[in-house]
Amino acid sequence: KQEVTQIPAALSVPEGENLVLNCSFTDSAIYNLQWFRQDPGKGLTSLLLIQSSQREQTSGRLNASLDKSSGRSTLYIAASQPGDSATYLCAVRAIQGAQKLVFGQGTRLTINP
Amino acid sequence: SAVISQKPSRDICQRGTSLTIQCQVDSQVTMMFWYRQQPGQSLTLIATANQGSEATYESGFVIDKFPISRPNLTFSTLTVSNMSPEDSSIYLCSVVPWGATYEQYFGPGTRLTVT
Repeated sequence: KQEVTQIPAALSVPEGENLVLNCSFTDSAIYNLQWFRQDPGKGLTSLLLIQSSQREQTSGRLNASLDKSSGRSTLYIAASQPGDSATYLCAVRAIQGAQKLVFGQGTRLTINP
Repeated sequence: SAVISQKPSRDICQRGTSLTIQCQVDSQVTMMFWYRQQPGQSLTLIATANQGSEATYESGFVIDKFPISRPNLTFSTLTVSNMSPEDSSIYLCSVVPWGATYEQYFGPGTRLTVT
């Protein structure tokens, strides 16, 4: 059974810092991995999608990496801003079976002005 | 990508009643899902909505409590039946558009409070 873990559960940093969020998964037989952002009481916004054959994806100040063999992904946020404050969720999709997304518990990020 | 709308955006309901949540997508999609997010928790998959047939429910969720319809490739409903305060959650519709990338998108959610 696939399990996804995100560390840390919460992170608070001053504005302008670069930061890394971590995601690990137990079964490397994945189709892809997605990073999402969720603002309080809202739905999820897809930030980056990494296919199993890819090593990283970039969008603006965000960079996500994938090391499938070790079961790890990182989300790097450069030059953090208060507007980046949100919960960040990592989810993996299995190759086999129903191809459901399995979510981690999320990292609650606070950027202090 | 896909643009997803949900109705209602929020509701306050009395114990024992039922609420139907609608999910509308701006384009045809291959897969539609319903998730529940309880306060302070991550997302839990309720079921996969299958077009023209019965939904596929995850362990712990049953059709009598969460009946789902998907009459076509752009629309689905989730009903929360005989509600109790434990059903207070955000309910999220999610879709995977046609294509090989399997990128998944989420609606804005329906915030349900049961009193």
